[in-house]
Amino acid sequence: DTGVSQDPRHKITKRGQNVTFRCDPISEHNRLYWYRQTLGQGPEFLTYFQNEAQLEKSRLLSDRFSAERPKGSFSTLEIQRTEQGDSAMYLCASRRSGSGRGGELFFGEGSRLTVL
Amino acid sequence: GNSVTQMEGPVTLSEEAFLTINCTYTATGYPSLFWYVQYPGEGLQLLLKATKADDKGSNKGFEATYRKETTSFHLEKGSVQVSDSAVYFCALPSQGGSEKLVFGKGTKLTVNP
Repeated sequence: DTGVSQDPRHKITKRGQNVTFRCDPISEHNRLYWYRQTLGQGPEFLTYFQNEAQLEKSRLLSDRFSAERPKGSFSTLEIQRTEQGDSAMYLCASRRSGSGRGGELFFGEGSRLTVL
Repeated sequence: GNSVTQMEGPVTLSEEAFLTINCTYTATGYPSLFWYVQYPGEGLQLLLKATKADDKGSNKGFEATYRKETTSFHLEKGSVQVSDSAVYFCALPSQGGSEKLVFGKGTKLTVNP
């Protein structure tokens, strides 16, 4: 069990550029989640996948944001035409379906985005 | 949807002091309740959980009891250590059956030797 890994850990970009984050979940976990966390706030849900299917999306996920999980393993989160308000920590988490109501989410260390 | 209100910090304690971090929730039904912790430089990890009313979750000396009468899930520890310094988040599902967790704003705890 290597845990949830995210890449890159830090990204600094200029406003208007596109950025992509990658998440590799724990291998046997079929559910994968993206959250966003800004300074002084708790994580906010963005979207989640079961295998390759994106089953729920938050209204926070504007049309500049797109997430994929093409083979049901790793996932990417792309932000197009970044804005300064996109600066945040992007968190990925995973878990195994069928682990019940109290199923634990396993989080990665996050990818910090700074938009200048 | 469901929501959670968490005591805001920061909280600074001396080692071996008693800790309480308040968390109250608004929910339809009786969802599972969670405390997650984020140690410096690490990802969030589940600290404890309770899946039904009157359950007590416990881990690493921390406890929280699911109280439906007061809609609370306060986190307590009888004797904190320097290593407990972290940010603590209360969380619950946004609604019944949803995979989306709603988190509180977090409470930063610093424990001094």
